[in-house]
Amino acid sequence: GENVGLHLPTLSVQEGDNSIINCAYSNSASDYFIWYKQESGKGPQFIIDIRSNMDKRQGQRVTVLLNKTVKHLSLQIAATQPGDSAVYFCAETRSNDYKLSFGAGTTVTVRA
Amino acid sequence: DAGITQSPRHKVTETGTPVTLRCHQTENHRYMYWYRQDPGHGLRLIHYSYGVKDTDKGEVSDGYSVSRSKTEDFLLTLESATSSQTSVYFCAISESRQEQYFGPGTRLTVT
Repeated sequence: GENVGLHLPTLSVQEGDNSIINCAYSNSASDYFIWYKQESGKGPQFIIDIRSNMDKRQGQRVTVLLNKTVKHLSLQIAATQPGDSAVYFCAETRSNDYKLSFGAGTTVTVRA
Repeated sequence: DAGITQSPRHKVTETGTPVTLRCHQTENHRYMYWYRQDPGHGLRLIHYSYGVKDTDKGEVSDGYSVSRSKTEDFLLTLESATSSQTSVYFCAISESRQEQYFGPGTRLTVT
């Protein structure tokens, strides 16, 4: 998992504000980038992915942005809620490869 | 957890003993994975399987072996446990490249 990393290990957010979680990657051959959420005591859970030929993809309250020029990936969470408190991992995979490489994770804490 | 279970959920063992962790799925997914999770390292792939009796190494495979004799079961064996193998172990399954479903994890302590 050394090809994918995160800029900040922790992020504290006020409830209701938007959250932005960043990730840098170094492998230009990656064709899928994915965000996972891990709540305390549980296994990671898929949130959203983006293919390398896209710049932006939106889900329910989440948006993933991909900037291939600077090899940067971000996850935006709108109107952050207490249930969003978790560790967020970015991951990448390469064409024809069924393995994921994970970054170290960002711990998001939502303040009431 | 998408029909995936791990056993045991917690285990304490002594250095030098063999340990086997079991992952069981009811989803009939082709791909199965074993990861370990340690502070500051995220999730690191130990071994994975792309079919019955088809397995391959991940980035941290030394000291571990796996077997998959049935689609639904993927076993991880620590041949001779060491303290450096104290970790939380996650099993995952998938049918697509980007979406893996993770089990609840096994906390292993090697004393």
